Amino acid sequence: KAGVTQTPRYLIKTRGQQVTLSCSPISGHRSVSWYQQTPGQGLQFLFEYFSETQRNKGNFPGRFSGRQFSNSRSEMNVSTLELGDSALYLCASSVGSGLGYEQYFGPGTRLTVT
Amino acid sequence: AQSVTQLDSQVPVFEEAPVELRCNYSSSVSVYLFWYVQYPNQGLQLLLKYLSGSTLVKGINGFEAEFNKSQTSFHLRKPSVHISDTAEYFCAVSVLRAYKLSFGAGTTVTVRA
Repeated sequence: KAGVTQTPRYLIKTRGQQVTLSCSPISGHRSVSWYQQTPGQGLQFLFEYFSETQRNKGNFPGRFSGRQFSNSRSEMNVSTLELGDSALYLCASSVGSGLGYEQYFGPGTRLTVT
Repeated sequence: AQSVTQLDSQVPVFEEAPVELRCNYSSSVSVYLFWYVQYPNQGLQLLLKYLSGSTLVKGINGFEAEFNKSQTSFHLRKPSVHISDTAEYFCAVSVLRAYKLSFGAGTTVTVRA
């Protein structure tokens, strides 16, 4: 089975711009989660989608948004970029139900805001 | 809310020596526990998980961990490390219907010849 894929892998944007990141989950997985990883804050949960519905959301400003499509693919959008948004954005997929919540991660998108 | 504390930020170790990475968690309800590894410029790979049952959990690449409810710990061990085990290791916790993982700050393991 193919793993979680994320596009693009690297991105450079300017302050004030917006960006859209894409994630394709493992086939058959209906849940997609997004995490932000920075040296200072570590791994922080952004949001989780299951069957196109957001089930949980982390403590991030409204500039961060996401959505999930009927084929389980997901996108996250960051508007009005700030320097502090520079990070590795990780997408993870899961079957989304059952015992535990085992997530499989993609390679990430490295976003640099200048 | 749940939280995880990884007690060591950096662990240097010689090749073929044993290693233990310490993880403590906090939660008012039953937890699910995970260890992930991250190699440079890559995403996270699941090493092992504790959902229920036996408190000793075996994972990939020779790693194992022991769930200790009374001490709220989930320490990761490997009896003999290789150079290729050099990476960052993350302990994570989740609970039923939380739909998210809460991660520790990570432990960087550097294996030297």
